[in-house]
Amino acid sequence: DAKTTQPNSMESNEEEPVHLPCNHSTISGTDYIHWYRQLPSQGPEYVIHGLTSNVNNRMASLAIAEDRKSSTLILHRATLRDAAVYYCILVNTGNQFYFGTGTSLTVIP
Amino acid sequence: EPEVTQTPSHQVTQMGQEVILRCVPISNHLYFYWYRQILGQKVEFLVSFYNNEISEKSEIFDDQFSVERPDGSNFTLKIRSTKLEDSAMYFCASSEQNAWVNEQFFGPGTRLTVL
Repeated sequence: DAKTTQPNSMESNEEEPVHLPCNHSTISGTDYIHWYRQLPSQGPEYVIHGLTSNVNNRMASLAIAEDRKSSTLILHRATLRDAAVYYCILVNTGNQFYFGTGTSLTVIP
Repeated sequence: EPEVTQTPSHQVTQMGQEVILRCVPISNHLYFYWYRQILGQKVEFLVSFYNNEISEKSEIFDDQFSVERPDGSNFTLKIRSTKLEDSAMYFCASSEQNAWVNEQFFGPGTRLTVL
């Protein structure tokens, strides 16, 4: 499975932006970069995904480096509800999703 | 808003017994998945299912596991002879298109406890 590296944990103050980094130096040309999150005691929840260009949706933005070896998930204004484990996942044409250990985000009121 | 549902929310069984975990994916979705998460560990992919057949499976998905779409709405995971190490949270997911390029919607999970 394609490997990603994320910090184990991060903290953010409420209502401030959060930048969650992910390194994926062995990414292949057809790998999509997906982000999911898992709130406590819930199933994973889709956040965003992209291939090469930066992406925005109602939840977040995804900034992808030009060489695609890293990406950053941006939450524009963190809320308490955003406290979760965030997973950066590389997905190829197969349907296998390999969740790593992710980044545990703590939001401080 | 449509959602994936799973039943039961908690299943307790004796080691060696068969269990069937049930999922109702979102109605217009074509791709279905099972994952498991042992307490305190990461989410692990088990199997993906499309067009009435398995499209991908992980090493975890051995002969004791099977999946079925018995009718137009349900998607089931069967564990034939449960082991203690099968105790975990099992999540079902579905997607409209291949999850490579599309979002997956996850259910709330079934907690399986094997005694």
